Amino acid sequence: GQQLNQSPQSMFIQEGEDVSMNCTSSSIFNTWLWYKQDPGEGPVLLIALYKAGELTSNGRLTAQFGTTRKDSFLNISASIPSDVGIYFCAGRDMDSNYQLIWGAGTKLIIKP
Amino acid sequence: EPEVTQTPSHQVTQMGQEVILRCVPISNHLYFYWYRQILGQKVEFLVSFYNNEISEKSEIFDDQFSVERPDGSNFTLKIRSTKLEDSAMYFCASQTGLRRSDTQYFGPGTRLTVL
Repeated sequence: GQQLNQSPQSMFIQEGEDVSMNCTSSSIFNTWLWYKQDPGEGPVLLIALYKAGELTSNGRLTAQFGTTRKDSFLNISASIPSDVGIYFCAGRDMDSNYQLIWGAGTKLIIKP
Repeated sequence: EPEVTQTPSHQVTQMGQEVILRCVPISNHLYFYWYRQILGQKVEFLVSFYNNEISEKSEIFDDQFSVERPDGSNFTLKIRSTKLEDSAMYFCASQTGLRRSDTQYFGPGTRLTVL
């Protein structure tokens, strides 16, 4: 089946540091999404990307749709304690109108 | 702000029993989804539903699973004979349409524990 590789698996950083994570796919995607999941809750959409090369910001978060259409990254600048959680990339490939394919998640842990 | 709701928040059942997980999607949404997340693992697509029929389903969604929209508001996932490996968080999501800009909004999930 379709594979999404997300890295790193976890990050243990100091408050105030910048964070970067990325996802790569085995085929071309037409949509890349970044979600955050807090413990015991459902995923919440952070940023949506729809065009190759698109760079979109949401506050301290910035994400880009890779030009090959097979990758995306998410950056968080100046991390704060409430950024802790699991960040998932998800995407939709050219063969599907419906389902989202998900990465395995990046767990962000911030030292105060 | 409208949101997707799910009940119950936690369901414990014995292996072999039937369970029904309930979702109330956002009222003007037309596309509905079920996903599951085994503890510590990634979210996996189960099924999508539109116009009272399944539009897409994954390999996970076998004959033990069924979905229904019994009225104008509820969207349910039924597992006929639960197995231990069905233990997971089950998320419902809904979407206005199929434009790429139409976001899937997720509910808080139902934690299913099969003993």
